Amino acid sequence: EAQVTQNPRYLITVTGKKLTVTCSQNMNHEYMSWYRQDPGLGLRQIYYSMNVEVTDKGDVPEGYKVSRKEKRNFPLILESPSPNQTSLYFCASSLSGGLNTEAFFGQGTRLTVV
Amino acid sequence: SQQGEEDPQALSIQEGENATMNCSYKTSINNLQWYRQNSGRGLVHLILIRSNEREKHSGRLRVTLDTSKKSSSLLITASRAADTASYFCATDATYDSWGKLQFGAGTQVVVTP
Repeated sequence: EAQVTQNPRYLITVTGKKLTVTCSQNMNHEYMSWYRQDPGLGLRQIYYSMNVEVTDKGDVPEGYKVSRKEKRNFPLILESPSPNQTSLYFCASSLSGGLNTEAFFGQGTRLTVV
Repeated sequence: SQQGEEDPQALSIQEGENATMNCSYKTSINNLQWYRQNSGRGLVHLILIRSNEREKHSGRLRVTLDTSKKSSSLLITASRAADTASYFCATDATYDSWGKLQFGAGTQVVVTP
């Protein structure tokens, strides 16, 4: 089954404690991205990757890091989480960005930073 | 920054009625897509309409696109309780060669039996 898998689904952590949210897709997609969703703001892109070892900042990259060492994986790293990073996070993948292709989303990771 | 903005923010209808929501965007686009999100879950792709298309249908969904007005509408006909969800439009701007999708804040639709 074609899918994007994120882990964990729920995470409560303390300020400053490094964490990683994993994302994996099984569709051989080139393009992957991370979004955060906050009430009233919709989805905002954090980082995206056009292919292995190629990443770039989205609209809200501050406080986040990513890596793309393999095509299928695109982890999101919060080196020193802060309470304003409390949010619902989604990983997405598509064949080639948004260019006439649909994006597939993971089930989301609800992160709370206290 | 948000490229697409949906209107209304919230919509409450009864089963069997039609639901219409609109999306406005700011820049030229390659395509516009609509997604559905059930409460707190991942987004699911509904339909994609290219910039050279004016109307598209998929089951009970009808999407229109007016590039001169930079707007799109999503119509759900004969709504069901299972259509209760948030609906988002997403645009792929022509200025972005990597086709990055920009989402609006969404329309929350509640369908009551």
